[in-house]
Amino acid sequence: QQQVKQSPQSLIVQKGGISIINCAYENTAFDYFPWYQQFPGKGPALLIAIRPDVSEKKEGRFTISFNKSAKQFSLHIMDSQPGDSATYFCAASIGGATNKLIFGTGTLLAVQP
Amino acid sequence: NAGVTQTPKFRVLKTGQSMTLLCAQDMNHEYMYWYRQDPGMGLRLIHYSVGEGTTAKGEVPDGYNVSRLKKQNFLLGLESAAPSQTSVYFCASSGHGGAAQETQYFGPGTRLLVL
Repeated sequence: QQQVKQSPQSLIVQKGGISIINCAYENTAFDYFPWYQQFPGKGPALLIAIRPDVSEKKEGRFTISFNKSAKQFSLHIMDSQPGDSATYFCAASIGGATNKLIFGTGTLLAVQP
Repeated sequence: NAGVTQTPKFRVLKTGQSMTLLCAQDMNHEYMYWYRQDPGMGLRLIHYSVGEGTTAKGEVPDGYNVSRLKKQNFLLGLESAAPSQTSVYFCASSGHGGAAQETQYFGPGTRLLVL
């Protein structure tokens, strides 16, 4: 129930294309869904996050789509650039006193020029 | 602001040796976390702390101990290293949780190889 399942494991996209990464969860108590971006040799950094009271959040070229009934959320990267090549992790947490995040297994994105 | 820093950056241990990983943050955050990252397994929480003097177990705590004697520091100890503990270790910190979750800020990681 605590798992967050992420797919695909890896993704190759041409420059200018749309990258889509999907995540699914079981625990309906999750109420915060962030995406983290990690470049090689660096720590993860928050990219964008959403709460279940909205179905979509957009920040620049990055959009989270959230489907509460299906317990799924996805990251869309529009006009993908070689600089977007990184590992992306979805995560989920339950509001409370710990801020603990449950991470997906990650997606390695390669954007080809 | 340096943010979250980790020491050392890389270490090689022999099976059975001990070591301590140091995490420091200068953002006055209450919460601190230790994760390990392994290929295909994402980030898994080892231990965490919700304030100075407190610690709690995460998802994979066996073989590790932690201490939070000062608010800005969170130490991860391996008493008797095993090859299964070969991993990249990340420390993170965040402000108060509750109704408004706070962003976790990650350090640059410590790469540990246990032979």
